[in-house]
Amino acid sequence: KAGVTQTPRYLIKTRGQQVTLSCSPISGHRSVSWYQQTPGQGLQFLFEYFSETQRNKGNFPGRFSGRQFSNSRSEMNVSTLELGDSALYLCASSVGKGPTTGEPEAFFGQGTRLTVV
Amino acid sequence: AQSVTQLDSQVPVFEEAPVELRCNYSSSVSVYLFWYVQYPNQGLQLLLKYLSGSTLVKGINGFEAEFNKSQTSFHLRKPSVHISDTAEYFCAVISMIYNQGGKLIFGQGTELSVKP
Repeated sequence: KAGVTQTPRYLIKTRGQQVTLSCSPISGHRSVSWYQQTPGQGLQFLFEYFSETQRNKGNFPGRFSGRQFSNSRSEMNVSTLELGDSALYLCASSVGKGPTTGEPEAFFGQGTRLTVV
Repeated sequence: AQSVTQLDSQVPVFEEAPVELRCNYSSSVSVYLFWYVQYPNQGLQLLLKYLSGSTLVKGINGFEAEFNKSQTSFHLRKPSVHISDTAEYFCAVISMIYNQGGKLIFGQGTELSVKP
């Protein structure tokens, strides 16, 4: 079974530009979550999509957005990039069923390393 | 709301010695608990999980963890570490409430450094 695939692995962008990151979840998983990892702030939750609907959202500005397609693949977009957006962006997928049905664990991709210059 | 505190930011240890990485959590609702490991320039790999049942859970690579509800702790242990265990370890919780499922709350991480 293929794991979570994130593309691209590395990106260099200029301040003010926008960027789109892609995540393909494990086959059969319907929940996709995004996290930002930085040395100063650690791992912070961005948002979660389940069956094409945003179910949870973290405390990030509106420049960060996402979407999920009918095949569960997800994209996140960051507009008007700032230097502080430089980070490792991680995508995680899970089965996404309710807690009474078990399998709440999330599986992570390798991440996309975004550098803003 | 939930929060996770990893009590040690760095843990140096010699090869073949035992190790314990400490994790405490706070939550107003019931949670599931996880430990993840991250090697340099990699994503996170699930080490083990506590969902219910026995409070001692075993994971991959010889790691185990014990859930203590009264102390709200979930410490990770390994009886004998290897050089290859050098990595960063993250404790995480997720709410059992359905519409919060998918939002992992992480600790700040513990860097385990195994020396020969």
